[in-house]
Amino acid sequence: DQQVKQNSPSLSVQEGRISILNCDYTNSMFDYFLWYKKYPAEGPTFLISISSIKDKNEDGRFTVFLNKSAKHLSLHIVPSQPGDSAVYFCAASESNFGNEKLTFGTGTRLTIIP
Amino acid sequence: KAGVTQTPRYLIKTRGQQVTLSCSPISGHRSVSWYQQTPGQGLQFLFEYFSETQRNKGNFPGRFSGRQFSNSRSEMNVSTLELGDSALYLCASSLERGADEAFFGQGTRLTVV
Repeated sequence: DQQVKQNSPSLSVQEGRISILNCDYTNSMFDYFLWYKKYPAEGPTFLISISSIKDKNEDGRFTVFLNKSAKHLSLHIVPSQPGDSAVYFCAASESNFGNEKLTFGTGTRLTIIP
Repeated sequence: KAGVTQTPRYLIKTRGQQVTLSCSPISGHRSVSWYQQTPGQGLQFLFEYFSETQRNKGNFPGRFSGRQFSNSRSEMNVSTLELGDSALYLCASSLERGADEAFFGQGTRLTVV
């Protein structure tokens, strides 16, 4: 049972345009969401997060939007740069003490075309 | 400050053998989590340790075990290896909770032949 879903395995975007990566979740107990970026042969790197009390969080070129009613979040990268080419993982967690884990999606491979 | 260090980086084992992977978290981080990454499955949670105690466990068979030492370093052990255990094993460290922003190591690539 995949509680966090990234339905697009891959995405190609022209350099300079906006990249939009999507993520859906089914567990209504999730209240903290994160995006990680992963290059080949490296571990995932934390990118940006959002708490369920917010619907938007921005950090430079990266913005995460959360739609709780739809159980959907998205990561916007603008403008997209060649160095953004990587696999992006969406992750979710609960505040419930005793459930200390991140639940990850299967990832979306983003390719930025120069 | 130093990041999360995992050793070894690569490992080849044969079926039936056992393997131990090591993880040194970021200094001051007390939570260490382990994840398995396989193609098409994303990162799947194995277990999380905090102050030498396993605090949370994923849906993996008992062949997968771990421990944490007093200096927060952690080891993961897989016994009676199967071909399907071939994967990238990632360790993540967090200050207090494995569910918060976690910092990952580069992983150990295990190949079972």
